[in-house]
Amino acid sequence: GQNIDQPTEMTATEGAIVQINCTYQTSGFNGLFWYQQHAGEAPTFLSYNVLDGLEEKGRFSSFLSRSKGYSYLLLKELQMKDSASYLCAVRGTGFQKLVFGTGTRLLVSP
Amino acid sequence: GAVVSQHPSRVICKSGTSVKIECRSLDFQATTMFWYRQFPKQSLMLMATSNEGSKATYEQGVEKDKFLINHASLTLSTLTVTSAHPEDSSFYICSARDLNRALTDTQYFGPGTRLTVL
Repeated sequence: GQNIDQPTEMTATEGAIVQINCTYQTSGFNGLFWYQQHAGEAPTFLSYNVLDGLEEKGRFSSFLSRSKGYSYLLLKELQMKDSASYLCAVRGTGFQKLVFGTGTRLLVSP
Repeated sequence: GAVVSQHPSRVICKSGTSVKIECRSLDFQATTMFWYRQFPKQSLMLMATSNEGSKATYEQGVEKDKFLINHASLTLSTLTVTSAHPEDSSFYICSARDLNRALTDTQYFGPGTRLTVL
């Protein structure tokens, strides 16, 4: 079966750092993606990991450990506009479809 | 680059009617497009994978006769919700794979279509 777990909600303060975790159990693995989704809008691509380690892109970083079935998204210097849902998605075998986690709603407060 | 459009962005229809949603990749060719449905405060649920020139592959529990998918060209896929009912009201999102972005093979999402069936 396929199972991707994320915390449902998180809160943080403007300017702070927040880490959103994602654990997965899937049949096959060909990459893990993080997307940001604001309410009522489509997801936008944030990051991609296929090898173990940290990928840094500006204020956002994503980490992957394939042996542990674990990833996290790190958001630094939080801004109010970062309030959104963050979706972890795993691509299985065949390089086709993505399986999405339930998403983590992040609320950034002043 | 990698822009995906959807039309319409919002549609309200009466129960029993059919609704067609278009998904277009504007600046790249997409041999594969995906259709998702998202209910409020829930994550994306894949409905079907659409391959250009062939029949779509539907996920378990998705009725292929109710959700008709046509992928007639490398830049256009359509989803038709036939005989829509209130329980079909949802946010429908398409995505497309840009095969020229071989490094990540990322899916790029359209802006979504909000369907409300009265």
